[in-house]
Amino acid sequence: EPEVTQTPSHQVTQMGQEVILRCVPISNHLYFYWYRQILGQKVEFLVSFYNNEISEKSEIFDDQFSVERPDGSNFTLKIRSTKLEDSAMYFCASSEDRGRSPLHFGNGTRLTVT
Amino acid sequence: KQEVTQIPAALSVPEGENLVLNCSFTDSAIYNLQWFRQDPGKGLTSLLLIQSSQREQTSGRLNASLDKSSGRSTLYIAASQPGDSATYLCAVRRTGNQFYFGTGTSLTVIP
Repeated sequence: EPEVTQTPSHQVTQMGQEVILRCVPISNHLYFYWYRQILGQKVEFLVSFYNNEISEKSEIFDDQFSVERPDGSNFTLKIRSTKLEDSAMYFCASSEDRGRSPLHFGNGTRLTVT
Repeated sequence: KQEVTQIPAALSVPEGENLVLNCSFTDSAIYNLQWFRQDPGKGLTSLLLIQSSQREQTSGRLNASLDKSSGRSTLYIAASQPGDSATYLCAVRRTGNQFYFGTGTSLTVIP
């Protein structure tokens, strides 16, 4: 069964550094998402992306965050200057369409900011 | 803003028992609701998706129901197995692109 794949599985970075989290969504999916889960808390929406542009973003997704689909397969989340509170599990997800089909998640990247 | 609550937070049952997990949401104007399973340190596995016009969905031993007017969904697991041990999350989607997640129910099935 097709999967969403994320790399790396674990990333450790120092405060103030830039990080790029990478995702390969399922190939025939058109909608892409980033969610995050701080340890012990709910999964939270960050951003959705369709047709090479952001379709929706949450309050969390401020100017420090950006997303890109640099080629036909990858979908990236960049955090420009990491803070301690950015430490979380970041999940990429994709879906075939905007609402009728289920969301499929990757296994996540655990980001630790020291 | 949509608030999603899951009760109980944790549940421990002996193998073979049937069980029900509950999810409630504050805004009944939803587009659909999805149940996920999360294993420790892993991603979310989609279990069932119920559209707002549907009452229930079934997959194998799992049955999810939706009562939109009362803001509730249940996930019924029949004949539980140790391999069902995981955290179960429900997520609700309104008209936008984002899902609102509950805090989950941690299920342990004892052999």
